[in-house]
Amino acid sequence: KAGVTQTPRYLIKTRGQQVTLSCSPISGHRSVSWYQQTPGQGLQFLFEYFSETQRNKGNFPGRFSGRQFSNSRSEMNVSTLELGDSALYLCASSTTVNYGYTFGSGTRLTVV
Amino acid sequence: DQQVKQNSPSLSVQEGRISILNCDYTNSMFDYFLWYKKYPAEGPTFLISISSIKDKNEDGRFTVFLNKSAKHLSLHIVPSQPGDSAVYFCAASPPMRFGAGTRLTVKP
Repeated sequence: KAGVTQTPRYLIKTRGQQVTLSCSPISGHRSVSWYQQTPGQGLQFLFEYFSETQRNKGNFPGRFSGRQFSNSRSEMNVSTLELGDSALYLCASSTTVNYGYTFGSGTRLTVV
Repeated sequence: DQQVKQNSPSLSVQEGRISILNCDYTNSMFDYFLWYKKYPAEGPTFLISISSIKDKNEDGRFTVFLNKSAKHLSLHIVPSQPGDSAVYFCAASPPMRFGAGTRLTVKP
C-alpha cells in the first residue's frame, strides 16, 4: 500500500512569505501529526489531527497552523517566514492518535 | 519541554560489536516507547517498541530495555553492521514525543 506522501519535497522561500505543505496519509489512517526537524533539536512536535479535529498542539508560535480535511489529508501553513523556520518538516500518519506512526519523507524548507 | 532526552548526540562503534543507545524520559504517564531509525533525506522508520508492562523486547539483532523506576530505556544492537549507521530517535507516548536523536556510526 502507498506510504505517507508529502509534497513538495523541497521548497525555497523568502523571509516574510508564507508557505503551505501537504501530507497525504496512508489509506485508512485518520490521525496525522506534524514535526519539525532541525539539527540538534530532534523532532519537535507541531500538532496532531484526528478526524479533522486538532487533538494536540506543540509550543510553536501562531504563525504555524494546520488543518485536516475529510479525506484525512492534512496541510500545514507557516506565515511570515523567518530564517529560523528552515527545517525538515515531517508528517506522520496512524490509525489512532499517539501510536503506530508511519512517517513521510518530509519537505525540506529553506528560507532565504 | 524536553520530556524525552537522548544525551549522546553521536556514537561510534566497530562492526560486530554492540551498540547501546540510551534514552531518558521525565513524564511518568508515558506507557509506550519506541525507537525510530532515520537515514538522510528519508523520514524516520519504526524499528522496535516496548510497552510499559514489559522490561525487554527483542527483535532479531535489536533489543529494547525499559527501566521504569529510572525512567530510562536503551536500544542494543548486536552485532552492529555498517548498514546500521543512521540517526536513532527514541520516542514515548502518549502523547508522542521524540528525543533529539543519536547519530550511530558503525565502522567496518
